[in-house]
Amino acid sequence: GNSVTQMEGPVTLSEEAFLTINCTYTATGYPSLFWYVQYPGEGLQLLLKATKADDKGSNKGFEATYRKETTSFHLEKGSVQVSDSAVYFCALSEAGGFKTIFGAGTRLFVKA
Amino acid sequence: SQTIHQWPATLVQPVGSPLSLECTVEGTSNPNLYWYRQAAGRGLQLLFYSVGIGQISSEVPQNLSASRPQDRQFILSSKKLLLSDSGFYLCAWSVSGYEQYFGPGTRLTVT
Repeated sequence: GNSVTQMEGPVTLSEEAFLTINCTYTATGYPSLFWYVQYPGEGLQLLLKATKADDKGSNKGFEATYRKETTSFHLEKGSVQVSDSAVYFCALSEAGGFKTIFGAGTRLFVKA
Repeated sequence: SQTIHQWPATLVQPVGSPLSLECTVEGTSNPNLYWYRQAAGRGLQLLFYSVGIGQISSEVPQNLSASRPQDRQFILSSKKLLLSDSGFYLCAWSVSGYEQYFGPGTRLTVT
């Protein structure tokens, strides 16, 4: 079955450091891939998405590229801010499917 | 634009009491609807999803149930709460195969 594996946290960085959160997936078809972000006490928000191989999703300085050959969708940001402290979830959804498969989440702490 | 509402925002209930959490969506028709639970510091657990009025699929057998009495209304219920039911409950909607949009959540504490 489909699955998503992301790096365990927490990840602790200093402000302006480079961020990478690894995500790999297993899927039988050609899924869409997503990153969601959850700030403390809130619901999840879509951060970015990619719907086909080699697509790059980007938003708020975050980027992720859909790599079919390595079945990966790693999240990157060149310079993190304290306000980026949150939990990040990688996810996939099959076209026409009803369910989204979420990774376990990676907590990010950014220190001033 | 579409919006999703959940209430109440927080709830403290004694063990053995009933539960009713409500979720409504505005600005879209015939959405897929979902209930998730998130234990403290943990990931998302899909509880129920619905692809239409009266159609409910259960992912985890337990003392919770869900109903969809109207196209854009999704209700999570329990007849008798357990301590293990404590958590953060999230409602979400989507169009099949696309991103999900989440509500603000309900923090449930069972005492």
